Amino acid sequence: GGIITQTPKFLIGQEGQKLTLKCQQNFNHDTMYWYRQDSGKGLRLIYYSITENDLQKGDLSEGYDASREKKSSFSLTVTSAQKNEMAVFLCASSPRLGGYAEQFFGPGTRLTVL
Amino acid sequence: SQWGEENLQALSIQEGEDVTMNCSYKTYTTVVHWYRQDSGRGPALIILIRSNEREKRSGRLRATLDTSSQSSSLSITAAQCEDTAVYFCATDLMGYKLTFGTGTSLLVDP
Repeated sequence: GGIITQTPKFLIGQEGQKLTLKCQQNFNHDTMYWYRQDSGKGLRLIYYSITENDLQKGDLSEGYDASREKKSSFSLTVTSAQKNEMAVFLCASSPRLGGYAEQFFGPGTRLTVL
Repeated sequence: SQWGEENLQALSIQEGEDVTMNCSYKTYTTVVHWYRQDSGRGPALIILIRSNEREKRSGRLRATLDTSSQSSSLSITAAQCEDTAVYFCATDLMGYKLTFGTGTSLLVDP
């Protein structure tokens, strides 16, 4: 088995601030994902990466940057936090890209922007 | 249905009852994932059903897939309090990434 660790668990920022969320996995999975989950909504894909140093935009990439410098880690940056923004950011990994691959999720980072 | 921009659906049942959650999708998919998300945690896969399967069972869980109507269902038999969670379906609409539905919040009362 393995685990996905996300830091921080809670993140409070100011409007316009640049904020970075981190994710680590020890599954040795090739593919990693960042999703955004708004209250009462489904998960929306922000970025994914199929290998180290690879980055692919998802449906919600505007306003975000990502970085995959190591196989085990995937970072997400909110480039300019929006006032009153509240969401949970979920990191996931899977052994490969494709619909048959199970995705394993971390516990999430809860973002609040004041 | 838990697709698209609809808000989270909510179901409340008594312990011991059976419950079915539905999911409809818009285009062809090769697989439907059903995930469960407990409060404060990330989603976890509970059943994966492929397009060539009509039904898949795992313990008290049963998933069905009807590719002709582009719909899937997840049933829980004799629900227990620990089944309280949000349940999502997800499909691989683009063949390489999952697209998640909005979810169904299930509350099982003792």
